Amino acid sequence: QVQLVQSGAEVKKPGASVKVSCKASGYTFTSYYMHWVRQAPGQGLEWMGIINPSGGSTSYAQKFQGRVTMTRDTSTSTVYMELSSLRSEDTAVYYCARGDFEITMMGNYWGQGTLVTVSS
Amino acid sequence: DIVMTQTPLSLSVTPGQPASISCKSSQSLLHSDGKTYLYWYLQKPGQSPQLLIYEVSSRFSGVPDRFSGSGSGTDFTLKISRVEAEDVGVYYCMQGIHLQITFGQGTRLEIK
Repeated sequence: QVQLVQSGAEVKKPGASVKVSCKASGYTFTSYYMHWVRQAPGQGLEWMGIINPSGGSTSYAQKFQGRVTMTRDTSTSTVYMELSSLRSEDTAVYYCARGDFEITMMGNYWGQGTLVTVSS
Repeated sequence: DIVMTQTPLSLSVTPGQPASISCKSSQSLLHSDGKTYLYWYLQKPGQSPQLLIYEVSSRFSGVPDRFSGSGSGTDFTLKISRVEAEDVGVYYCMQGIHLQITFGQGTRLEIK
């Protein structure tokens, strides 16, 4: 069965970087795009970007351009999301979500979420 | 960015009664390929979001037929014909006409 397992919670200081991993299993890793979506406490969903695990190409939300980097390791079927220059507003749960038959469509395969807390 | 505006932001519904959520986009979501890239998601308490509707009106796999979507261009609606207790959560519309995806603010559905 399809599973997306994310790395554990992180606590970071302002100005630091965080790298969250998402390990995929149960399907052909390179066949589906992977999205990253975040959700601040008590807030809505915010799309951060997408990576094509096949070639590694990426597209980022304009808001995060220059601060976010998405990469993948095909040998371990893992995608990574690194966010730099962290500030308190980046405190959120970060989700990876597998694309489906439409590139912009996130189906029902989501990671369990990774809480990133930014605090001095 | 395309702004997605949902109304209402919350609603309280008696089980068995219908519910309706509106979503308006700041630009048309009709792509040159003829498809309209409007989706509806439900995030149940403590869970990751789940896809309900894609391309305005197509129900995703396993979604009950009490959920339906309609609309075109910039105006869209999600309807639940008969609300059940398990429908509690926050509903989001999302546009995916290009890779600057944006969500609506969310509509919280509670049961009376």
